[in-house]
Amino acid sequence: TQLLEQSPQFLSIQEGENLTVYCNSSSVFSSLQWYRQEPGEGPVLLVTVVTGGEVKKLKRLTFQFGDARKDSSLHITAAQPGDTGLYLCAVDDRGSTLGRLYFGRGTQLTVWP
Amino acid sequence: DVKVTQSSRYLVKRTGEKVFLECVQDMDHENMFWYRQDPGLGLRLIYFSYDVKMKEKGDIPEGYSVSREKKERFSLILESASTNQTSMYLCATHGGVIRYFGPGTRLTVL
Repeated sequence: TQLLEQSPQFLSIQEGENLTVYCNSSSVFSSLQWYRQEPGEGPVLLVTVVTGGEVKKLKRLTFQFGDARKDSSLHITAAQPGDTGLYLCAVDDRGSTLGRLYFGRGTQLTVWP
Repeated sequence: DVKVTQSSRYLVKRTGEKVFLECVQDMDHENMFWYRQDPGLGLRLIYFSYDVKMKEKGDIPEGYSVSREKKERFSLILESASTNQTSMYLCATHGGVIRYFGPGTRLTVL
């Protein structure tokens, strides 16, 4: 059973469109992270959300942590080709200080010019 | 500028060969991790280490071993490579909240 379910798995849109990707679970988490991975590179941390209901903005990217801390969303406004990549959500192994992460399977976003 | 480097970006090996993947970090982090990434499966943890000479199995350790003789270096070893180990291998370190990933090694086993 996958701890984190991400949807959609693939998203292909035109430049200028808006989009939302989701990360859902039946478990409660103390925090959740979003990463972006470009082809041929490792994932890069975008944001960590900690508080239920929290909203964080990173330029055109808006991240929200669900009130119950079981889910999160990433909204991109006016997508650009440079936003193309694999978006991954991840959570810490609960009760561990060692820093291992559990990842969702990712959303592959392609933005066409 | 933090850095996690991996010894090779691309590697092609034959079935049965012994394969070494090296990861080096310059951040003095204690915790280091090896993940493999496959399409549709996401990142899965193979092994991790929380100190020199200390290691713990992750979710998919079968067919792999690791070595951590120095704090900055964490090696992943495929004792006898098989075709189902063809994958992208990612090394990561843990520094507080942030994890830093290397660029990955794309391994093909023929």
